[in-house]
Amino acid sequence: QQQVKQSPQSLIVQKGGISIINCAYENTAFDYFPWYQQFPGKGPALLIAIRPDVSEKKEGRFTISFNKSAKQFSLHIMDSQPGDSATYFCALPKRPGNNRKLIWGLGTSLAVNP
Amino acid sequence: EAGVAQSPRYKIIEKRQSVAFWCNPISGHATLYWYQQILGQGPKLLIQFQNNGVVDDSQLPKDRFSAERLKGVDSTLKIQPAKLEDSAVYLCASRAGTSEETQYFGPGTRLLVL
Repeated sequence: QQQVKQSPQSLIVQKGGISIINCAYENTAFDYFPWYQQFPGKGPALLIAIRPDVSEKKEGRFTISFNKSAKQFSLHIMDSQPGDSATYFCALPKRPGNNRKLIWGLGTSLAVNP
Repeated sequence: EAGVAQSPRYKIIEKRQSVAFWCNPISGHATLYWYQQILGQGPKLLIQFQNNGVVDDSQLPKDRFSAERLKGVDSTLKIQPAKLEDSAVYLCASRAGTSEETQYFGPGTRLLVL
């Protein structure tokens, strides 16, 4: 069973700081690396995703960094805001095409103090 | 575009009772997923449908859980009889198709088994 190891389990950051969440995986045969954001009482929603043909992707304050040799991908939240307080999940894809499913990390609970 | 709809939002039952959850995916989405999310954990896939066919039900406790998507649109997930350890949030997600990676989640149904 392919696994994804997410760290840290929880994170407290001051407003304006940088939040960094990491995911490590064991298999190199992945073609898609998403991060999902979940607020209390809501379902997860895609935040940002990357393909392995690039090492970094930035969308606003959110950046994914991908390190193929280390088998890791990270989420960086710049200028963290209280509204970013949520649980963040990385996931790994399994099976191509219509049969695609995701294997999820355990999540990182982020709290941004005002 | 309407999102994924789920009902009920909350349900409290006693152990050994039965319960059913309903999901209406985004219009036109061929793939539908049911997940179980226990507090503090990532979503765990229970069953995946492609139109009205089952793609993956390897982690569905088939002695007590069942799911159907008869017309390839909305879906129901049933638990009979419920156990205490079934207390969780049940999430439904849908995905458009092969070229679209994003899973769109509903708000979930929070189940408490007493």
